Amino acid sequence: ETGVTQTPRHLVMGMTNKKSLKCEQHLGHNAMYWYKQSAKKPLELMFVYNFKEQTENNSVPSRFSPECPNSSHLFLHLHTLQPEDSALYLCASSPSGANSGANVLTFGAGSRLTVL
Amino acid sequence: DAKTTQPTSMDCAEGRAANLPCNHSTISGNEYVYWYRQIHSQGPQYIIHGLKNNETNEMASLIITEDRKSSTLILPHATLRDTAVYYCIAKRVDYGQNFVFGPGTRLSVLP
Repeated sequence: ETGVTQTPRHLVMGMTNKKSLKCEQHLGHNAMYWYKQSAKKPLELMFVYNFKEQTENNSVPSRFSPECPNSSHLFLHLHTLQPEDSALYLCASSPSGANSGANVLTFGAGSRLTVL
Repeated sequence: DAKTTQPTSMDCAEGRAANLPCNHSTISGNEYVYWYRQIHSQGPQYIIHGLKNNETNEMASLIITEDRKSSTLILPHATLRDTAVYYCIAKRVDYGQNFVFGPGTRLSVLP
């Protein structure tokens, strides 16, 4: 247990479904991240939130919609996904601020998504 | 942020020191070197970071060359559980982190 909890751990959905991934942290961090990791590929940064405000969107398709209602919770809403979106989705959090600790990310265990 | 270059893969015998190199020849003065690792199908785990001095914690040691163009992560007594992909990242500290991982080095600790 790292302090960052992701649910569900596994999700299977059809291309017409709408589902959401949830991430929760109680580490007192103010930055939260979504990453995608496809099979045998490096992690891809998707979104970054600082103090609930989105500060990075790495050209992610609109079928992925993030939501950050507060600094402790982050969601990734999924709709009309494609089979190639099947991947491990990782959430992370970190402190915010202009110090080296701001780049010390704590990751959750991930949500493995399969799109049929 | 400076580009880093790491070997694609390395092997290490169990119980021996694992020395993982990283090249960051274009690093600037305000960029730190961070190391993470990812054990199969888990989220990455932070290991250590440094600016110019050598650093040590309970997991590893980080040796940064005097010119800061390269660094080495040292796992002093590698175990089978250290088998993972190790990522070296050069990153300045600023607001709105765009923390990008490369392909890393796949370390295999052999019995």
